[in-house]
Amino acid sequence: AQKVTQAQTEISVVEKEDVTLDCVYETRDTTYYLFWYKQPPSGELVFLIRRNSFDEQNEISGRYSWNFQKSTSSFNFTITASQVVDSAVYFCALSDLVDDKIIFGKGTRLHILP
Amino acid sequence: DTGVSQDPRHKITKRGQNVTFRCDPISEHNRLYWYRQTLGQGPEFLTYFQNEAQLEKSRLLSDRFSAERPKGSFSTLEIQRTEQGDSAMYLCASSPMEGAVGYTFGSGTRLTVV
Repeated sequence: AQKVTQAQTEISVVEKEDVTLDCVYETRDTTYYLFWYKQPPSGELVFLIRRNSFDEQNEISGRYSWNFQKSTSSFNFTITASQVVDSAVYFCALSDLVDDKIIFGKGTRLHILP
Repeated sequence: DTGVSQDPRHKITKRGQNVTFRCDPISEHNRLYWYRQTLGQGPEFLTYFQNEAQLEKSRLLSDRFSAERPKGSFSTLEIQRTEQGDSAMYLCASSPMEGAVGYTFGSGTRLTVV
């Protein structure tokens, strides 16, 4: 069965600090996709990244970076120089290539304090 | 293209009443998904359509739930004889193809059963 675990329920950091959100996944598939979504207080799910299981290169997009380690089944997300607008719930997620249903973790609520 | 639209945004209903939600996907997307998100949890998959065919239903989708996608365009999700446990955010998503490429979520319908 597929499963995504986000062990950090809630994190608070002071603005401009770096913060890493952890994600560990379980799947028997050899090919799969990993995602991160942001859910601000407005409730909409905002897509951040989709990563194919064959591509283990780390990715950087502005202040965001992602570390994919297949050996440890982890897909961690780091925000550098955090800002108050980064405050949201962040979900890590997993899908297979057959039906595309996305399995979400329970989310990490991130508070960036001014 | 305005993205995935869901209507209504909010619905308050009395226990035992029937409710229906609508989702309009991005026009060229042939896959449409329904998810449910309860407080403090990540979204959970309910069902999905490939064009007008409903291809999979989660065991979360009890007999009181029914979803349709006539003509492969918009979709409706109906809940009969609502219960307080049905209170949640109901999210719709669409994608144009396999591989969760371009998977886009709507803003959701928040249901409160009183």
